[in-house]
Amino acid sequence: QVQLQESGPGLVKPSETLSLTCTVSGGSISPHYWSWIRQSPGKGLEWIGYIFYRGNTNYNPSLKSRLTMSVATSKNQFSLRLTSVTAADTAVYFCARVNSRFCSGSTCFEGPYYGMDVWGQGATVTVSS
Amino acid sequence: DIQMTQSPSSLSATVGDRVTITCRASQSINNYLNWYQQKPGKAPKLLIYAASTLQSGVPSRFSGSGSGTDFTLTISSLQPEDFATYYCQQGHSMFRTFGGGTKVEVK
Repeated sequence: QVQLQESGPGLVKPSETLSLTCTVSGGSISPHYWSWIRQSPGKGLEWIGYIFYRGNTNYNPSLKSRLTMSVATSKNQFSLRLTSVTAADTAVYFCARVNSRFCSGSTCFEGPYYGMDVWGQGATVTVSS
Repeated sequence: DIQMTQSPSSLSATVGDRVTITCRASQSINNYLNWYQQKPGKAPKLLIYAASTLQSGVPSRFSGSGSGTDFTLTISSLQPEDFATYYCQQGHSMFRTFGGGTKVEVK
């Protein structure tokens, strides 16, 4: 079955750039949407954004000015880059596959609307000097 | 932004109880509502999507209902492994948002 694994530095200095990669195994990165979600210590879930395997993106407006997502289909990986980080960016970062198909009876609907159905285990990133 | 408000924020229950969690959207999201379960130190798990469709492998004691702005997650008979935090999430607007979570604790 499809598995996701986040990788990247666990400690980033304030004002520097946070970079994470998610490696997809057991399946192909196409033709799916892929998402990033984060969770600050003791807090709820925050949607960061998603990227389509072709490179189309949709970002959280509050992060958009600092955020870049990319996809490397040949490596079956997608990545997140967040610039100018502060302590507020300290969180567990999850990558996930977007569930983009819903069938009701004989009718099926496609689109990145139906939640995230496969998740990585999460990567803890601390922003501190 | 579409705000998602869950209630209650926590509840205490006993094995075998029927548990109901509600999620209200600040505007209509049709049926683009998803539910997750998260246990401490673990990634969330998709339970229900499109408001009422059970994700593959999820026990049938979980069910979802609602449309528009008001949604419900029901656990028909709470099992020991169901003590966790539950989140709703809307997939309607470009900016996806989660509810604040409902922690289901042992009574």
